[in-house]
Amino acid sequence: QVQLLESGGALVKPGGSLRLSCAGSGFIFSDYYMNWIRQAPGKGLEWVSYISNSGSTIFYADSVKGRFTISRDNAKNSLYLQMNSLRAEDTAVYYCATERLRYFDHWGQGTLVTVSS
Amino acid sequence: QSALTQPASVSGSPGQSITISCTGTSSDVGGYNYVSWYQHHPGKAPKLMIYAVGNRPSGVPDRFSGSKSGNTASLTISGLQAEDEADYYCSSYTSSSPYVFGTGTKVTVL
Repeated sequence: QVQLLESGGALVKPGGSLRLSCAGSGFIFSDYYMNWIRQAPGKGLEWVSYISNSGSTIFYADSVKGRFTISRDNAKNSLYLQMNSLRAEDTAVYYCATERLRYFDHWGQGTLVTVSS
Repeated sequence: QSALTQPASVSGSPGQSITISCTGTSSDVGGYNYVSWYQHHPGKAPKLMIYAVGNRPSGVPDRFSGSKSGNTASLTISGLQAEDEADYYCSSYTSSSPYVFGTGTKVTVL
């Protein structure tokens, strides 16, 4: 069955960087669009970034544009999120999710990013 | 892009029906039939419950149904069960973002 496993979450200081990974299995990774979605403590879900199956089309939420970079390696069945210039408000659980026709059909368990001095 | 508006909480007794609303604008909910709903038990992965306004993925009980009128989408849970207690989020494709989530609704089974 479809499995998504995020990793890379950690405690980082404001202004620091972090790279999240998402390993996919149980499906043809290169067929799927992928997204990062986050949930800050006590808050709702927030869409963060999208990448097409080939990697040729990318979108970002305004809140992370210019600071975060999404990428993928279809040969390794992996999705990445490079996060730079981190702020306290980036503290959240980060989920990767597959996308079909404008909805998110499979999600990982999430990885926690804490930005604090 | 502002979050879609959902009620903070909805409650019902077992066996009852409840409806959660999700209000947006003509640039998101009202403009596209790409509204989806997710169930989220804290600490677990969110789960897709409804896609494209009113379609259920395989494995989702038919107690869950979705609809849309104008700029407002709705999720109805009929025959409420204890395991339905969770947070629920709507999501819509938008003309700008390209995706936006709702503010979330906590469903309590009394």
